[in-house]
Amino acid sequence: SQQGEEDPQALSIQEGENATMNCSYKTSINNLQWYRQNSGRGLVHLILIRSNEREKHSGRLRVTLDTSKKSSSLLITASRAADTASYFCATDNSNYQLIWGAGTKLIIKP
Amino acid sequence: SQTIHQWPATLVQPVGSPLSLECTVEGTSNPNLYWYRQAAGRGLQLLFYSVGIGQISSEVPQNLSASRPQDRQFILSSKKLLLSDSGFYLCAWKRQGNTEAFFGQGTRLTVV
Repeated sequence: SQQGEEDPQALSIQEGENATMNCSYKTSINNLQWYRQNSGRGLVHLILIRSNEREKHSGRLRVTLDTSKKSSSLLITASRAADTASYFCATDNSNYQLIWGAGTKLIIKP
Repeated sequence: SQTIHQWPATLVQPVGSPLSLECTVEGTSNPNLYWYRQAAGRGLQLLFYSVGIGQISSEVPQNLSASRPQDRQFILSSKKLLLSDSGFYLCAWKRQGNTEAFFGQGTRLTVV
């Protein structure tokens, strides 16, 4: 079953702008992960934030986690055309599985 | 370093024909292995996962089956494909515990 829910479903911004995507989930988690998928390819892991962490950075990526609201956000700063992709959040609740959202399709316009 | 191989990249099969998609992992041992299906523009649907040789858990009743004959080999099969089996199939692995998953490049299956 799908636990993560990303919003927006689609986002189109100008190159250089910041892109923010959100993810909500329903049950308790051990960690939350963000992945990127280029069209027709496999998913690539971007960043993992543990349930006891509130914010994490990796290059131009910034992820926040609010366990009280059961939500997370992914911020991509200074977007580039190469950031065009679909972005998925996944929650890990120790049941051997990652529970996936439906994704946000991000388009960066040159 | 660890790598995951999934093949073929694309496959066109007639209705009623058998299917065998193979996924192998290198550079790690005793991985958790996963088969997902992804409809166009949608999220991932977990089909099967395996925590060890010969151990298969099925998430969705369907026309497909999975097997793990070796520690780092995961096979998705069907005896008779249906039109509804068309989709993008992804294999993935992760270490035991709360870690990230690593994906193969996917197989685009079209049943005609």
